[in-house]
Amino acid sequence: GDSVTQMEGPVTLSEEAFLTINCTYTATGYPSLFWYVQYPGEGLQLLLKATKADDKGSNKGFEATYRKETTSFHLEKGSVQVSDSAVYFCALSPWSQGNLIFGKGTKLSVKP
Amino acid sequence: GAVVSQHPSWVICKSGTSVKIECRSLDFQATTMFWYRQFPKQSLMLMATSNEGSKATYEQGVEKDKFLINHASLTLSTLTVTSAHPEDSSFYICSARAVVDGELFFGEGSRLTVL
Repeated sequence: GDSVTQMEGPVTLSEEAFLTINCTYTATGYPSLFWYVQYPGEGLQLLLKATKADDKGSNKGFEATYRKETTSFHLEKGSVQVSDSAVYFCALSPWSQGNLIFGKGTKLSVKP
Repeated sequence: GAVVSQHPSWVICKSGTSVKIECRSLDFQATTMFWYRQFPKQSLMLMATSNEGSKATYEQGVEKDKFLINHASLTLSTLTVTSAHPEDSSFYICSARAVVDGELFFGEGSRLTVL
């Protein structure tokens, strides 16, 4: 069945460091791909999404490109801030109105 | 942005009792709501999909008689854990799909501890 695999954390970085969180997926057809973020004490929030191959989702300095050839959707940010400390979830939706299938989440801690 | 509220945010109960968790979309209508369960260091696992006015669709392995889901209106879905046992202790999260644009919004989650 469809699944999402993302790198295990925790990831600890210094402020202004470059961030990459790897995410690969297995799916039939053409899923939509998402990154969600969960800040401490809050619910999940959509960070960015891409609905077709080669699309790039971006928000708040984060980017991820839908790579069909490598079945990947890696999250990147050029310069992280302390406020980016959170748990990041990669997810896919097999079809536009379907449910989400999540990865296990990656906890990011950014130190000043 | 759109807000989904879960209540209670945490609850402790004795084994054998039933617990109800509410999921409300505060400023939008949602024909479909999803209930997830999250174990420590695990991903969110879909338990069931509920559509307003109809019976919920449960994922394989989820006991529908144990996890009762009601979606009585376009803004409210409830999950009742019946005869809870310690193994039901978990973090339960709901999400609501907005009618207008289909985007998903998540609640903050409800942590259940069964003693």
